[in-house]
Amino acid sequence: DVKVTQSSRYLVKRTGEKVFLECVQDMDHENMFWYRQDPGLGLRLIYFSYDVKMKEKGDIPEGYSVSREKKERFSLILESASTNQTSMYLCASSLNSPRTQYFGPGTRLLVL
Amino acid sequence: DQQVKQNSPSLSVQEGRISILNCDYTNSMFDYFLWYKKYPAEGPTFLISISSIKDKNEDGRFTVFLNKSAKHLSLHIVPSQPGDSAVYFCAASEYNFNKFYFGSGTKLNVKP
Repeated sequence: DVKVTQSSRYLVKRTGEKVFLECVQDMDHENMFWYRQDPGLGLRLIYFSYDVKMKEKGDIPEGYSVSREKKERFSLILESASTNQTSMYLCASSLNSPRTQYFGPGTRLLVL
Repeated sequence: DQQVKQNSPSLSVQEGRISILNCDYTNSMFDYFLWYKKYPAEGPTFLISISSIKDKNEDGRFTVFLNKSAKHLSLHIVPSQPGDSAVYFCAASEYNFNKFYFGSGTKLNVKP
């Protein structure tokens, strides 16, 4: 079974703090993704990576950066957290074929 | 502009009956489609996929139908069970692309 883990289930941070969200997958998947989920908006892609040290912007990259130093690990960084970044953050990974994405349990982030 | 739409935010069904969840898309280049189930405070769980070379795929109680000419897919759950109560997302991607576009989700409530 594919396993995707995320470092925290719940986080509370202050405005202006730098926030790190970590994601690890154990199935040697080439691709990794970060999404945020907000009510009524579905899942929106922030960034994705198709190889180590490679990254591509998704639909809403502003205010975020990512790091992929090892194949199994993909980090999402909020450089200076703001209240509008309060959300559920979901990490996923996939092979190139089939393209099915497998998700971690999510991190619910509250920025005060 | 949303390329994948789930126009019904919610659906209520009696236990034992059929649940039909719908999804429309606008991009004719989409060739691979996924359905996910999501419980509150958890990551999405992959349910079933379909490739554009097929018009139907079954897995136990779950069947996905694809109508390429109408750019429409649907997920049928038969028989529905109270444990199926969750938010269901459809997602689509273009050939050879790993990026998926997600719908906004439909909340299914199966009443005992």
